Amino acid sequence: GQNIDQPTEMTATEGAIVQINCTYQTSGFNGLFWYQQHAGEAPTFLSYNVLDGLEEKGRFSSFLSRSKGYSYLLLKELQMKDSASYLCAVRDQTGANNLFFGTGTRLTVIP
Amino acid sequence: ETGVTQTPRHLVMGMTNKKSLKCEQHLGHNAMYWYKQSAKKPLELMFVYNFKEQTENNSVPSRFSPECPNSSHLFLHLHTLQPEDSALYLCASSQTPLTSDTQYFGPGTRLTVL
Repeated sequence: GQNIDQPTEMTATEGAIVQINCTYQTSGFNGLFWYQQHAGEAPTFLSYNVLDGLEEKGRFSSFLSRSKGYSYLLLKELQMKDSASYLCAVRDQTGANNLFFGTGTRLTVIP
Repeated sequence: ETGVTQTPRHLVMGMTNKKSLKCEQHLGHNAMYWYKQSAKKPLELMFVYNFKEQTENNSVPSRFSPECPNSSHLFLHLHTLQPEDSALYLCASSQTPLTSDTQYFGPGTRLTVL
C-alpha cells in the first residue's frame, strides 16, 4: 500500500520562506507531484520530481530523496496569495501508476 | 473554454434522486479520472478511463456509475446516494495514465446529499 504523510497546517509570514515536508512509503515509486489548491478551486500542478535533487521553478522549489522517502516544497518570498493547501502525491507503479495523495498541508500566510 | 471544466459546480440532492456530474477536457488528453475529496481526507481515486475504456474501479459502490462516451467527456451518474457521499468530486485528465504525465484538475462539483 501507500502511506503519505504531511503536516496538517502551517503558518508563515509574508516575505518569509516556508518548507512543507512530505514523507512516503510505496512499493513502486515512480514520481512525486506537488499541487496547490486554493479553497473551493481545482488543484493546480506545481512540480514533479522523479530523480533525487532539487527542482527550482521561480519562487517554488521541490526536493526529492528516494532513499529516504522524503520530499519538500520550498516557497520563497511568501505572498498572501500563497495561502492554500499543498498536496503531495506519489505515483506508484504497483498501484497501476495511479497517483496517491496525502491529506494536504494548509498554509496560512500572515502579514 | 480551456483546461478541464465541470458542471454543475454545486449540487444538493436527496437520497432517492438521480443526478449526473459532467466533466469536459479541452487539452487533447486521452486519460480521464474521477476523484473524491472529503474533508480532512486525501483525494481518493474512484475511476480511471484511458482512451474511453475504464481501466480502474477503485472499489467504488455501484451507486456511482461512470460513463466516458469519448476522450473529452466524462460523466458520473449518481443514484440512491448516502449522506456520507457528500464531498467535492474532482475530474482530472492527463495525456495517458501510464507515464509521468501531469494530471490537470477541474474545479470540482461540491455535492451535498440530504
